[in-house]
Amino acid sequence: TQLLEQSPQFLSIQEGENLTVYCNSSSVFSSLQWYRQEPGEGPVLLVTVVTGGEVKKLKRLTFQFGDARKDSSLHITAAQPGDTGLYLCAGEGAGANNLFFGTGTRLTVIP
Amino acid sequence: GAVVSQHPSWVICKSGTSVKIECRSLDFQATTMFWYRQFPKQSLMLMATSNEGSKATYEQGVEKDKFLINHASLTLSTLTVTSAHPEDSSFYICSADRGRNAFFGQGTRLTVV
Repeated sequence: TQLLEQSPQFLSIQEGENLTVYCNSSSVFSSLQWYRQEPGEGPVLLVTVVTGGEVKKLKRLTFQFGDARKDSSLHITAAQPGDTGLYLCAGEGAGANNLFFGTGTRLTVIP
Repeated sequence: GAVVSQHPSWVICKSGTSVKIECRSLDFQATTMFWYRQFPKQSLMLMATSNEGSKATYEQGVEKDKFLINHASLTLSTLTVTSAHPEDSSFYICSADRGRNAFFGQGTRLTVV
């Protein structure tokens, strides 16, 4: 099993603040995906990063894949209440056809 | 984007009965689909990989006789929870890959009373 540890596990911040979520593993992944999940719904794909060192931006969200493809980060600028949700990273293992999910980060943005 | 539809969204059943959950890829074909289980405030845990036209591959600790998976077509996989017990109550989610991206169903909240 390829474990992905996310930190922090819980995060509660005020609207307008910045935050970073980390996704770390000792395993190498061929790609890494970030999802956001709202209560009672399935996860929704935010981004896929493939190349070590890759940085992708999605409006106020910035995703980075570590150079060694073992870790990733999600940075949110000027958080808004609509950003509230469970953020999950998921790695695609080399030779595996399924995703290994991180432990999750539950974000609450207070208006 | 690709759409994966899961049905039902929620179901309540009595102990000892069986429940079938459907997962459909609406605008693409999926030879492989995945079934996950999610407990409250926890991440997704892979239960099994559903392969079209062949037997599903179950993760360690998942009872294949209890969680029956059928992938009879390229757009439909079903998960049947047999002889359900209260400890089977959970949120079940399916996904299908399109290219390198996974698309998830809306999830099914199963409550066994």
